[in-house]
Amino acid sequence: DTEVTQTPKHLVMGMTNKKSLKCEQHMGHRAMYWYKQKAKKPPELMFVYSYEKLSINESVPSRFSPECPNSSLLNLHLHALQPEDSALYLCASAYVMQETQYFGPGTRLLVL
Amino acid sequence: KQEVTQIPAALSVPEGENLVLNCSFTDSAIYNLQWFRQDPGKGLTSLLLIQSSQREQTSGRLNASLDKSSGRSTLYIAASQPGDSATYLCAVDYGQNFVFGPGTRLSVLP
Repeated sequence: DTEVTQTPKHLVMGMTNKKSLKCEQHMGHRAMYWYKQKAKKPPELMFVYSYEKLSINESVPSRFSPECPNSSLLNLHLHALQPEDSALYLCASAYVMQETQYFGPGTRLLVL
Repeated sequence: KQEVTQIPAALSVPEGENLVLNCSFTDSAIYNLQWFRQDPGKGLTSLLLIQSSQREQTSGRLNASLDKSSGRSTLYIAASQPGDSATYLCAVDYGQNFVFGPGTRLSVLP
């Protein structure tokens, strides 16, 4: 298995909702990443987990809460989002940090 | 500030041409530099990774070079094909930060 999967593919939520994005890989990778990508912009790093521990948190608002329950799974919990949080959320994994990153197809999020 | 730029922003070429995409970065204290392609509305596909100690990497029709001291990398695509049409992004790994350039949007015309 050489892919990163993300669910759901699309998500529409209101500003008072709580939802979660899921990312999974079975390549034995120990580094996992969350990125946010706005339309026609490059991805921006949000969080990095290394060996299931949060390694990098790029000053992301607390309405985004990451979780890495095991080495294969990465979640992003969303609560009280704003319309400007609408974007493509990309997950990536790597064997370890500073190695090639493999990206999932992303979750397209719309906040109403 | 760690910034990454790419030129040109967009490029349109006829099929078969060789082409060069450029990436520049302001902070040369890098771990590695990666080149990705992104098709519209999709995730990213890794093309090449160059470690900071390397000068170039090759994969098929792609060749990437790295000049860390001048803060530059180039991606050379030989014999371009319509299937190469995509946005090409370079990204610099600084260890505690991973910074993407804005991308070059490539169109290869049949």
